[in-house]
Amino acid sequence: EVVMSQSPATLSVSPGERATLSCRASQSVNNRVAWYQQKPGQAPRLVIYGASTRAAGIPARFSGSGSGTEFSLTISSLQSEDFALYFCQQYNYWPPWTFGQGTKVEIK
Amino acid sequence: QLVESGGALVQPGGSLRLSCVGSGFTLSTYDMNWVRQAPGKEMEWVSYISSSGAGIYYADSVKGRFTISRDNAKSSLYLQMNSLRAEDTAIYYCAKAYLADRPFDLWGQGTLVTVSS
Repeated sequence: EVVMSQSPATLSVSPGERATLSCRASQSVNNRVAWYQQKPGQAPRLVIYGASTRAAGIPARFSGSGSGTEFSLTISSLQSEDFALYFCQQYNYWPPWTFGQGTKVEIK
Repeated sequence: QLVESGGALVQPGGSLRLSCVGSGFTLSTYDMNWVRQAPGKEMEWVSYISSSGAGIYYADSVKGRFTISRDNAKSSLYLQMNSLRAEDTAIYYCAKAYLADRPFDLWGQGTLVTVSS
């Protein structure tokens, strides 16, 4: 099973600032990494797939990068609607499909 | 969208059937998954079913107790949960993917299952 580890657990950022979230896989996952955004009481929403491709309707301030085992999600200028929980997922080796424990982006 | 239902409070050892209805797309062309999130825990994939229903997988934690199925004519996905345990307490989400090696591109809002006496 591929273990996905995210850091930090919580990121405190002021609106307008840049946020960078990290995700590490326990083995290479061939860039088959997705990032999801989850707000309380709402369905998770796909943000990035293939490590760096924005999903439909996702603003350009969201970007993904990385390869092999190290991946990151960057939000270039945080807007109020971006404060949420973000979690990564690998879909290269399955079953099981595995997720990171999440990073909460909160208002500083 | 995807809409789950069927979550409830159930006693340990009990059973429950979750449903997920898709709208706005043709559910029969997508692989489907159940994913759960226990309080304070990370997302845990539970089960997968291919678009035709021919391919099925389960997490080790639920194998032998849960059964996934689908009715494409009704645009519906199901999860039959038997021999429920306290550790099955979670919000259960259904999520679709174009293929098994693709991301989960649409999720429902979830349904809460609580296993407690």
